[in-house]
Amino acid sequence: DQQVKQNSPSLSVQEGRISILNCDYTNSMFDYFLWYKKYPAEGPTFLISISSIKDKNEDGRFTVFLNKSAKHLSLHIVPSQPGDSAVYFCAAISTTSGTYKYIFGTGTRLKVLA
Amino acid sequence: EAQVTQNPRYLITVTGKKLTVTCSQNMNHEYMSWYRQDPGLGLRQIYYSMNVEVTDKGDVPEGYKVSRKEKRNFPLILESPSPNQTSLYFCASSLSGAADTQYFGPGTRLTVL
Repeated sequence: DQQVKQNSPSLSVQEGRISILNCDYTNSMFDYFLWYKKYPAEGPTFLISISSIKDKNEDGRFTVFLNKSAKHLSLHIVPSQPGDSAVYFCAAISTTSGTYKYIFGTGTRLKVLA
Repeated sequence: EAQVTQNPRYLITVTGKKLTVTCSQNMNHEYMSWYRQDPGLGLRQIYYSMNVEVTDKGDVPEGYKVSRKEKRNFPLILESPSPNQTSLYFCASSLSGAADTQYFGPGTRLTVL
């Protein structure tokens, strides 16, 4: 049972436009959500996170939105740049359950076209 | 330089031959974790450790063992590797388990024949 789903395996966007990456989850006990970016032949790197008590978190060109009622979060990248081309993973964790177990989605490959 | 190191980076082995993948971090992090990445399945957590001598199962622990005898090291042990453990493995660490930024190692590509 996939508790964190990224239903779009890939996405192509023109440079300068907005990239929107989506993530759905099923476990209402998740209290933190994170986005990681991964380039080929490298480990994932942290991008941005959001607590379940918030609905938006912004860091430069990156904004994460959380809709708890829909169990949906999205990552917005504005403006998109060719260097943003990578695989993006969303992840969730429930710290209140005491397990500290991370659940990752399957990833979305973003391609920003110059 | 703050980093997570893994060794080896590449390994080809045969079914049943015990192996260990080492992981070390120099950031005095309490939380360490192992993941495997497979096509179409994303990253899946194998084991994690909240501190020395404290380990717990992730989503896919079968066939793996870990130990945390020192804060900086978190080796992944495959006692009897099988072909379905062919994968890309990542070690990660963070200050604590409470949604702190995880720093990932460069990965170990394992092939079990």
